[in-house]
Amino acid sequence: QLQLQESGPGLVKPSETLSLTCTVSGASISSGSYYWGWIRQPPGKGLEWVGNIYHSGTTYYGPSLKSRVTISVDTSKNQFSLKLNSVTAADTAVYYCARLGGDHRGVYFDFWGQGTLVTVSS
Amino acid sequence: DIEMTQSPSSLSASVGDRVTIPCRASQSISNYLNWYQQKPGKAPKLLIYATSNLQSGVPSRFSGSGSGTDFTLTISNLQPEDFATYYCQQSYSTPPTFGGGTKVEIK
Repeated sequence: QLQLQESGPGLVKPSETLSLTCTVSGASISSGSYYWGWIRQPPGKGLEWVGNIYHSGTTYYGPSLKSRVTISVDTSKNQFSLKLNSVTAADTAVYYCARLGGDHRGVYFDFWGQGTLVTVSS
Repeated sequence: DIEMTQSPSSLSASVGDRVTIPCRASQSISNYLNWYQQKPGKAPKLLIYATSNLQSGVPSRFSGSGSGTDFTLTISNLQPEDFATYYCQQSYSTPPTFGGGTKVEIK
């Protein structure tokens, strides 16, 4: 069974860089035609897509965060990572990693990590 | 970006009820609409993809319908474990966008 697990600091200071890693188990990140993504959810609010990456390194980013986000992949470790720089309190959220599955009928986030809360505070 | 609207943001229902949860897109998204269920402190769970296709393992009391801009998630015979927040998400274009969610509460 495919599993995803987020890891990284739970507290980041304003203006610094948020760094998270998603470790994938149960399948190779390089197998199949899947993208791997990050979605975030501020406390008590809705879901916001952050970006996706393919095992080749091709990335897509959300427009509101594009200037501050970098997503990378390490196929040797079966991991992909998120970096968000110049963070503010507005970046406080639960960050989820997920797999983007699908077919000709469309794509969808079918496997999710449990999520990790990142708080931006001094 | 395509805006997804879910109204109401919450509704009350009883066990055994039939519940319909609407979702509207700001432009036509054909059938590229997914539904997720989220319980407190948990990650979202995919229920339905491409408007009406039930994800593996999801009970058949969940169903989806619609096309273009208007979509509906229906829960027939509401069960205690169904009290949760439900999100729609379009995959018609990048960026994928989510609705604000509808919380189904116990009446």
